[in-house]
Amino acid sequence: DQQVKQNSPSLSVQEGRISILNCDYTNSMFDYFLWYKKYPAEGPTFLISISSIKDKNEDGRFTVFLNKSAKHLSLHIVPSQPGDSAVYFCAAEDNYGQNFVFGPGTRLSVLP
Amino acid sequence: NAGVMQNPRHLVRRRGQEARLRCSPMKGHSHVYWYRQLPEEGLKFMVYLQKENIIDESGMPKERFSAEFPKEGPSILRIQQVVRGDSAAYFCASSPPRDSLGYGYTFGSGTRLTVV
Repeated sequence: DQQVKQNSPSLSVQEGRISILNCDYTNSMFDYFLWYKKYPAEGPTFLISISSIKDKNEDGRFTVFLNKSAKHLSLHIVPSQPGDSAVYFCAAEDNYGQNFVFGPGTRLSVLP
Repeated sequence: NAGVMQNPRHLVRRRGQEARLRCSPMKGHSHVYWYRQLPEEGLKFMVYLQKENIIDESGMPKERFSAEFPKEGPSILRIQQVVRGDSAAYFCASSPPRDSLGYGYTFGSGTRLTVV
């Protein structure tokens, strides 16, 4: 039973365009969310986070949107660059949780 | 300021041998988590430890797997009598307490275990 879902296993985007990665969750108690980026043979690296008291958080080219009523969050990358090609994981935690629950990941390919 | 250090990076074991994976958390981090990534799958939680305590091991297989985080030294994930299905990348993450500014995980580079 997946509590955090990333329904698109892969996504291809042209360089310079917007990449939109989606994440859905089922546990209404989740109140803190993070996105991680992972290159092959490396550990995941933190990208951006958002808490449930906000609906948007922006950091440079990366923006995360949270829609609590829909239990949905998305990561926008604009403009996309070839170096953004990686697997992106969405993760969530509830206020009483002891660990983050990760989605299965979306492989983003940014084409030059 | 070193990040989360995991060693070895690659580990090859024959079926039936023991595998020991080590993780040193970031300086100032007292919480350690182990995750496993099987081929073509996401990150699966295994165990959450603080110094000398296992807080949550709900993701650990009931047999052959154990973890510790002693008062001194790194956290150890131990797999006894390895089988081919244990082949995976094992990632360690550490974090400060939850109410800390910038709370979140910092991951190590992982240990890639191959069982032959």
